Amino acid sequence: NAGVTQTPKFQVLKTGQSMTLQCAQDMNHNSMYWYRQDPGMGLRLIYYSASEGTTDKGEVPNGYNVSRLNKREFSLRLESAAPSQTSVYFCASSEVRTSGGQETQYFGPGTRLLVL
Amino acid sequence: LAKTTQPISMDSYEGQEVNITCSHNNIATNDYITWYQQFPSQGPRFIIQGYKTKVTNEVASLFIPADRKSSTLSLPRVSLSDTAVYYCLVGGLSGTYKYIFGTGTRLKVLA
Repeated sequence: NAGVTQTPKFQVLKTGQSMTLQCAQDMNHNSMYWYRQDPGMGLRLIYYSASEGTTDKGEVPNGYNVSRLNKREFSLRLESAAPSQTSVYFCASSEVRTSGGQETQYFGPGTRLLVL
Repeated sequence: LAKTTQPISMDSYEGQEVNITCSHNNIATNDYITWYQQFPSQGPRFIIQGYKTKVTNEVASLFIPADRKSSTLSLPRVSLSDTAVYYCLVGGLSGTYKYIFGTGTRLKVLA
């Protein structure tokens, strides 16, 4: 199993350009997430998807759109990139714990985005 | 969602036990406490989760007092490879998706 994969690994954009970050998981998880992490900071939730066909806003959704294409794939789109969106973007998926409690999240390797 | 407070950073030496405490004064009845570890240039990785008392796995132990307003992650005999950022999260059962990671505790293990 590859787990959670993200493409691209690194991207440089000019202000106003658009791009889509791709994420896929092969663990048959229902829930998927997009986070951003700025230098020296914790992760902030952008959007999440509890199941195929549903998406909801997280803490910092402005400037982003998402698509849950199918159970495996969850993409994040920047329609008009801004320097403030320079960050590392992590995708995650989660599974229900057999012992109960919070779902365990599994993270991808991240996409480093630089907006000039 | 319960807010958590952790020390910003800690230093330790190889072979020592490290205890990182997380404060979560407004934890709700159905909230669990989960710890993640993040190495540089990687996504966070699940370490341990608990509800009350003590939980132990092959990596760490988690101590939760009776009032559940704090928790302590214990890493036995740390090595250089344990240098990472450790995050404490508090949240409810499956279906509560808005996890808050906070800034975490940056642990540096020295030789």
